[in-house]
Amino acid sequence: QQPVQSPQAVILREGEDAVINCSSSKALYSVHWYRQKHGEAPVFLMILLKGGEQKGHEKISASFNEKKQQSSLYLTASQLSYSGTYFCGTATSGTYKYIFGTGTRLKVLA
Amino acid sequence: DAGVTQSPTHLIKTRGQQVTLRCSPKSGHDTVSWYQQALGQGPQFIFQYYEEEERQRGNFPDRFSGHQFPNYSSELNVNALLLGDSALYLCASSLGLAGSPDTQYFGPGTRLTVL
Repeated sequence: QQPVQSPQAVILREGEDAVINCSSSKALYSVHWYRQKHGEAPVFLMILLKGGEQKGHEKISASFNEKKQQSSLYLTASQLSYSGTYFCGTATSGTYKYIFGTGTRLKVLA
Repeated sequence: DAGVTQSPTHLIKTRGQQVTLRCSPKSGHDTVSWYQQALGQGPQFIFQYYEEEERQRGNFPDRFSGHQFPNYSSELNVNALLLGDSALYLCASSLGLAGSPDTQYFGPGTRLTVL
């Protein structure tokens, strides 16, 4: 079952914040977040592991709610370079297979 | 430090033909995963290779096969091409530590068009 992301699309002004959610119907072991620009490969942003360990960047953070099987990506003080499609990639325990979410298209305007 | 590389960049084939795509993982990585990404969709997991063996497979027919070489590079083969196989094929490399999902780094992809 493919994880569902919300919102499907969002438009921001530079400097505004955004939250992207990823919900799964399965018990997750890890969640990856990627940003993909048109015509390019996905770029790794963040990994979250069961147990709360978090890695990532300064203005981009994320959380992992194990009870809800939901992850949220937080983009603060958005920049034009944040524009793209964001995907979560989820994995369950004992598997090496990542299932990508439905995607969220984000556009940042000047 | 070279990242993940893929070849060719673009490929045009006709229905029924066979195609081979190649991937070299990031330096220090020993695991290669292949994904198919249709236009406007997220990547779909095809399979993963570790220690020259297929470690896990997604919901793709046997027409899709692969190989990993001792230097960790990998090939994806698709036989009897269908129009629906037209997509961006992505290779991702990672460290294959057992039980530890690690960061995957994607290559630039191969755009396959089937006519």
